[in-house]
Amino acid sequence: EDQVTQSPEALRLQEGESSSLNCSYTVSGLRGLFWYRQDPGKGPEFLFTLYSAGEEKEKERLKATLTKKESFLHITAPKPEDSATYLCAVAGTASKLTFGTGTRLQVTL
Amino acid sequence: ETGVTQTPRHLVMGMTNKKSLKCEQHLGHNAMYWYKQSAKKPLELMFVYNFKEQTENNSVPSRFSPECPNSSHLFLHLHTLQPEDSALYLCASSREGDEQFFGPGTRLTVL
Repeated sequence: EDQVTQSPEALRLQEGESSSLNCSYTVSGLRGLFWYRQDPGKGPEFLFTLYSAGEEKEKERLKATLTKKESFLHITAPKPEDSATYLCAVAGTASKLTFGTGTRLQVTL
Repeated sequence: ETGVTQTPRHLVMGMTNKKSLKCEQHLGHNAMYWYKQSAKKPLELMFVYNFKEQTENNSVPSRFSPECPNSSHLFLHLHTLQPEDSALYLCASSREGDEQFFGPGTRLTVL
């Protein structure tokens, strides 16, 4: 059974204080690892797909990386508008997504 | 309209009511999904439709009944729900195997 564990559960940063979120996974036959951002009361918003170990993708202040066991979402010099819950999900040979419980990020001034 | 839309955004219903949730995708995708999101729990896949055919039913109670009349529309019919069914219900769509795009969700409260 595919599993995803995200840590920390919650993270509070000051504006400009860089950090990383972790997504550890076990999956049979990784077809893709996905990062989403979710604001309160809204649906998840797609950020990145990573397909193989060593791959990296960037978007503004976010950078996602992938190894064979985990993925990191690095946030460089965050701003208050980066506050959200960040979700990680994997798709294995069955193609359906297995989600983690998310990391709730709060960025303060 | 662009992306994935869902109506209603909020729904309050009694345990004896019957109601339906609607989802529409404007992305030309062939797969559509229903998820349940409860506090402190991972998104829980309920149903998957591929080219209008149901390909997955994740042991969902029969009080939830999906309907997919075409590749752009998806419904979730609700009847005799329980208070523990209160949650955010999310619809998503994708090209098969690719990243899924989500709608804004329906916040359901069962009294």
